[in-house]
Amino acid sequence: KQEVTQIPAALSVPEGENLVLNCSFTDSAIYNLQWFRQDPGKGLTSLLLIQSSQREQTSGRLNASLDKSSGRSTLYIAASQPGDSATYLCAEENSGYALNFGKGTSLLVTP
Amino acid sequence: DTGVSQDPRHKITKRGQNVTFRCDPISEHNRLYWYRQTLGQGPEFLTYFQNEAQLEKSRLLSDRFSAERPKGSFSTLEIQRTEQGDSAMYLCASSLLLDRANEQYFGPGTRLTVT
Repeated sequence: KQEVTQIPAALSVPEGENLVLNCSFTDSAIYNLQWFRQDPGKGLTSLLLIQSSQREQTSGRLNASLDKSSGRSTLYIAASQPGDSATYLCAEENSGYALNFGKGTSLLVTP
Repeated sequence: DTGVSQDPRHKITKRGQNVTFRCDPISEHNRLYWYRQTLGQGPEFLTYFQNEAQLEKSRLLSDRFSAERPKGSFSTLEIQRTEQGDSAMYLCASSLLLDRANEQYFGPGTRLTVT
């Protein structure tokens, strides 16, 4: 089964810092990689989707990259804000339907 | 609001009782998925529908679980004879498969507590 690992498990940064969240997967034959945000006790909000033919996607202060050959994706958050505090989950799709998720990185941005 | 909706948001039940959850996907989406998430873990795939057809079921979906999507619109997930190990957040997602892009949009989830 595809394993998805997210490092670090938790991260605390002061407001304004740029930060990088890491995601690695064991099988490079993926269709898509998707990044989500989850607030405590809530559902998931889709942030970015990168198709296997793409190298990166950008939305506002967020930039996600994909390197299939090394089995890695990164989510870059620029100029972090307290409102960015949440758990960030990456998920790969290699079956054509099911997402395989990592356990997430819990981010705390302090004022 | 045109997002994915789920009902109820919270359900507390006693062991052995049956429960049913409902999911209403984004209206034009042809795919609907169910996932389960326990504390500190990422969601795990349970099953999915393309239109009204249930195309795949995970080994996590025991015989006590059944899902339907009549007429390819809303979906229900029923758990019979609930066990304490069924306590989790049940998440529904939908997508519109375009080429190979399959961005999934999630609902707020139903949190099930089995006492």
